[in-house]
Amino acid sequence: KAGVTQTPRYLIKTRGQQVTLSCSPISGHRSVSWYQQTPGQGLQFLFEYFSETQRNKGNFPGRFSGRQFSNSRSEMNVSTLELGDSALYLCASSLVGFTEAFFGQGTRLTVV
Amino acid sequence: QKEVEQDPGPLSVPEGAIVSLNCTYSNSAFQYFMWYRQYSRKGPELLMYTYSSGNKEDGRFTAQVDKSSKYISLFIRDSQPSDSATYLCAMMGGSQGNLIFGKGTKLSVKP
Repeated sequence: KAGVTQTPRYLIKTRGQQVTLSCSPISGHRSVSWYQQTPGQGLQFLFEYFSETQRNKGNFPGRFSGRQFSNSRSEMNVSTLELGDSALYLCASSLVGFTEAFFGQGTRLTVV
Repeated sequence: QKEVEQDPGPLSVPEGAIVSLNCTYSNSAFQYFMWYRQYSRKGPELLMYTYSSGNKEDGRFTAQVDKSSKYISLFIRDSQPSDSATYLCAMMGGSQGNLIFGKGTKLSVKP
């Protein structure tokens, strides 16, 4: 059974640019959630999608957005990148909710 | 006070030792408690999942939840160098519809 796949694994972007990250969940999983992980703040919840609808949202600015497609694949977008957006972005999928969520390897974003 | 507190360590133990990892929390509505293991440059991997209070055992790992004290623990018996990783506690419940993570404890098991 394939795990959660995140692409790309590494990204370097310049301040002010925008970026799109992709997540393919485990087959059959309909819930996809996104997290930002930094050494200072740890893992922080960004948002969760279920059946193409955003069901939960964390406390991040509107520059962070996401969407989910009919095949449950999800993308997150960060516009007007800031240096502080440098982090590991993790995607997790589960059957219906947050319990027993399985994480991908993450996308390491560096903003210069 | 942060919702979930976890000592970041680092914690260094000799191979074969019993390891105790802990988290405290402030939200009494939390009902679901998880432990994740994260190796360097990898995503977190779910180790244990417990609902409400009590103990759960899986091989060398035991998870304990004490809701009266708002305290959860993960015990690792006969620790191995391959257990060296960062251990993250996570929890959810009540109006909190998403996982809240501790910052993780970095564990090193020395051969």
